[in-house]
Amino acid sequence: QKEVEQDPGPLSVPEGAIVSLNCTYSNSAFQYFMWYRQYSRKGPELLMYTYSSGNKEDGRFTAQVDKSSKYISLFIRDSQPSDSATYLCAMKYRGANNLFFGTGTRLTVIP
Amino acid sequence: GAGVSQSPSNKVTEKGKDVELRCDPISGHTALYWYRQSLGQGLEFLIYFQGNSAPDKSGLPSDRFSAERTGGSVSTLTIQRTQQEDSAVYLCASIPAGNEQFFGPGTRLTVL
Repeated sequence: QKEVEQDPGPLSVPEGAIVSLNCTYSNSAFQYFMWYRQYSRKGPELLMYTYSSGNKEDGRFTAQVDKSSKYISLFIRDSQPSDSATYLCAMKYRGANNLFFGTGTRLTVIP
Repeated sequence: GAGVSQSPSNKVTEKGKDVELRCDPISGHTALYWYRQSLGQGLEFLIYFQGNSAPDKSGLPSDRFSAERTGGSVSTLTIQRTQQEDSAVYLCASIPAGNEQFFGPGTRLTVL
């Protein structure tokens, strides 16, 4: 079993829809949770960063962490065609040197 | 300022050849990571540098893989006697203080 599980999709939604992306994990020591966005043939770029449980909002993006369920989510409101990309969840435990990534979910927003 | 750069952007090689991939991190970033991204596999950690030393090499898949970093800056990842299963995108990330990793665009390696 992988430490971080993410549905690879692909996911297609119409413009303006609310998108929900999710990851589950098995290591309860994870404390830092991130969402990266990766456009085709580009490196991942950090979108949201959350420490421990709770919600964080940034514009149209909301990240949620539920440590009791070992479940994290990214919500995108009023989705735009420019949001079309692969979204990767990543997490880290204190003292770890590296991030543990999900496989990424490929999202297409249709105009 | 400039972000993380990697070269070459694409590399096609024959099985059994050696390849060298280069990463130029953001100036002043002391930590540097190499990851491998294979189709459907997500990002796989390879090696981590703090300054010029590599305290964590645990992700290197075999002894055909090696990496070095000089002057606390440029890093090279070398793959000897390449195999077809080495085909992937190799990503480099540099880190200032904190947890955010700034990724380069990657090198797409194809082993024929």
